[in-house]
Amino acid sequence: DAGVTQSPTHLIKTRGQHVTLRCSPISGHKSVSWYQQVLGQGPQFIFQYYEKEERGRGNFPDRFSARQFPNYSSELNVNALLLGDSALYLCASSFRGFQETQYFGPGTRLLVL
Amino acid sequence: SQELEQSPQSLIVQEGKNLTINCTSSKTLYGLYWYKQKYGEGLIFLMMLQKGGEEKSHEKITAKLDEKKQQSSLHITASQPSHAGIYLCGVETSGTYKYIFGTGTRLKVLA
Repeated sequence: DAGVTQSPTHLIKTRGQHVTLRCSPISGHKSVSWYQQVLGQGPQFIFQYYEKEERGRGNFPDRFSARQFPNYSSELNVNALLLGDSALYLCASSFRGFQETQYFGPGTRLLVL
Repeated sequence: SQELEQSPQSLIVQEGKNLTINCTSSKTLYGLYWYKQKYGEGLIFLMMLQKGGEEKSHEKITAKLDEKKQQSSLHITASQPSHAGIYLCGVETSGTYKYIFGTGTRLKVLA
């Protein structure tokens, strides 16, 4: 079975632009979570979605938004990019949420110039 | 808010040596996950501990959860270069639908 997939793998944007990152969960998983990992730090929780509804949100500004589609894939959108948004963005999926094991994708590396 | 502190921050060991990584929580631990991350890549699930006193092993890695100390430890026996990477502990903060990770421990194993 395929694991969690993310696209694109790498992305370069300039300040003020908008970016969309995509995540496909493991088949059968209904929960997707997004994390931001700045170089040298642990991942920071951004969102959790379950059955297409936002269930949890971390301490990120409203420039960050996400959604989950009927096939349980998910998009993370970031508007008005700042230099500080440069990071590895990780997606994880699980059957129902944090009470089960999360499986992580390889990440999307975003560089904002 | 709950925080997870890992120690040591980094570790360099000779191949074949044993080592221990600790994860200490600022609040009661009801369960905890351990992950490994190769530099710049996604996280790989290692082990899940669900209750105090629980101990699990997989290959040469053993993890324990001490709820009284609000701490979990990850022990690697006879380390190998393949064990190198960043080790992270993680938990769902109780009743919040939010998830936090520890500060991370960078492990380097010298051949």
